[in-house]
Amino acid sequence: DAMVIQNPRYQVTQFGKPVTLSCSQTLNHNVMYWYQQKSSQAPKLLFHYYDKDFNNEADTPDNFQSRRPNTSFCFLDIRSPGLGDAAMYLCATSRGGTGFSYNEQFFGPGTRLTVL
Amino acid sequence: RKEVEQDPGPFNVPEGATVAFNCTYSNSASQSFFWYRQDCRKEPKLLMSVYSSGNEDGRFTAQLNRASQYISLLIRDSKLSDSATYLCVVNRAPDSWGKLQFGAGTQVVVTP
Repeated sequence: DAMVIQNPRYQVTQFGKPVTLSCSQTLNHNVMYWYQQKSSQAPKLLFHYYDKDFNNEADTPDNFQSRRPNTSFCFLDIRSPGLGDAAMYLCATSRGGTGFSYNEQFFGPGTRLTVL
Repeated sequence: RKEVEQDPGPFNVPEGATVAFNCTYSNSASQSFFWYRQDCRKEPKLLMSVYSSGNEDGRFTAQLNRASQYISLLIRDSKLSDSATYLCVVNRAPDSWGKLQFGAGTQVVVTP
């Protein structure tokens, strides 16, 4: 089945210790997104890639970086995690373009990050 | 004002009853509207897209009111498995590439 996969599902790191979260997709979608979601809040878009074009949200801290080495994979790097970065990190994909079906986003199961 | 606003609930619904709730959005240029379902500590999953004419998928009916800038979701014959948080989602026009704005969700609890 075509899907979005995230690894690891749970990540525990220490304050200030860099961490990398990974996402892969078999949907062959053009766009990949990273969201941060905290308890009882809406998912917050951090950045996205349309093919190789990187688009950062204006309010995404510099502490967060991303890489997309190929169509299938995308990584989220948190250079110096703080306690406030503890959250669920969601990867999503979409075909991209205009129109309903192109805007539909499909999410991976998420990585729950704990910062000690 | 938030771009997408939802009543957080919870809406406590007896099994078999009907529940309906709305979501308002602030960007009149938005063209794409969705309802996503999110179970506790899980990822959001697309429930249905919301078309201008409204649409129905089984027990779920979605409506769009552009004049008043809100969308609605109605669930008939509620099942225990319908207990979840329902996220209202609109595209962030005029941005392209499917950038979406999520609401914080409406929690529905279906009770036996």
